[in-house]
Amino acid sequence: AVQLTQSPSSLSVSVGDRVTITCRASQGISSALAWFQQKPGKPPRLLIYDVSNLESGVPSRFSGSGSGTDFTLTISSLQPEDFATYYCQQFNNNPFTFGGGTKVEIK
Amino acid sequence: EVQVSESGGGLIQPGGSLRLSCAASGFTFNNYAMTWVRQAPGKGLEWVSLISGSGGGTYYADSVKGRFIISRDNFKNTMYVQMNRLRAEDTAIYYCARVRTQLWHPYYYAMDVWGQGTTVTVSS
Repeated sequence: AVQLTQSPSSLSVSVGDRVTITCRASQGISSALAWFQQKPGKPPRLLIYDVSNLESGVPSRFSGSGSGTDFTLTISSLQPEDFATYYCQQFNNNPFTFGGGTKVEIK
Repeated sequence: EVQVSESGGGLIQPGGSLRLSCAASGFTFNNYAMTWVRQAPGKGLEWVSLISGSGGGTYYADSVKGRFIISRDNFKNTMYVQMNRLRAEDTAIYYCARVRTQLWHPYYYAMDVWGQGTTVTVSS
């Protein structure tokens, strides 16, 4: 199974900061990578699919990049509503695994 | 409005069985694959199972293979998962989600509509 390793597992940041979260796959997964945001008590929300395609309705401060085994989610200027946990997920190989998550907290 | 909604969760003893349902509305159900994702208390997301739009393709996580059976009824716009031989480690919120598909690899590429989840607790 493809393992997705996210780093860091948590980070403390301030409003307005630039945030970068990485997701490393244990083998190449082409462009079949998505990013989700989850807030406490809520279901996940799709942010980005196919590495860099922004889901409709998602603010443009979110962006994704990468290829092969190394991928990045960037939030250009963190807003109060962005404090949440973020997950990457791959669709290249069954089982369709998630990363362990990155919790973004207020500094 | 496009939406999916889970039901069927509850408290079940270890070794027991439970069937979850996911009712869909607002979109052409058989044009989309559907999937189950779970989240144990205080833990991350774990993909569980996926079924293609026609129902002819099914996929499972190793942790549930041989115990869970995913299915769908495209006339009722509903997906199911039959969960057998339940274990304490199956305790989780179970979410269903719609999955966009395409005709080339990867055939599935985005879980774009999620339900609020249904809670399964396996305990004696």
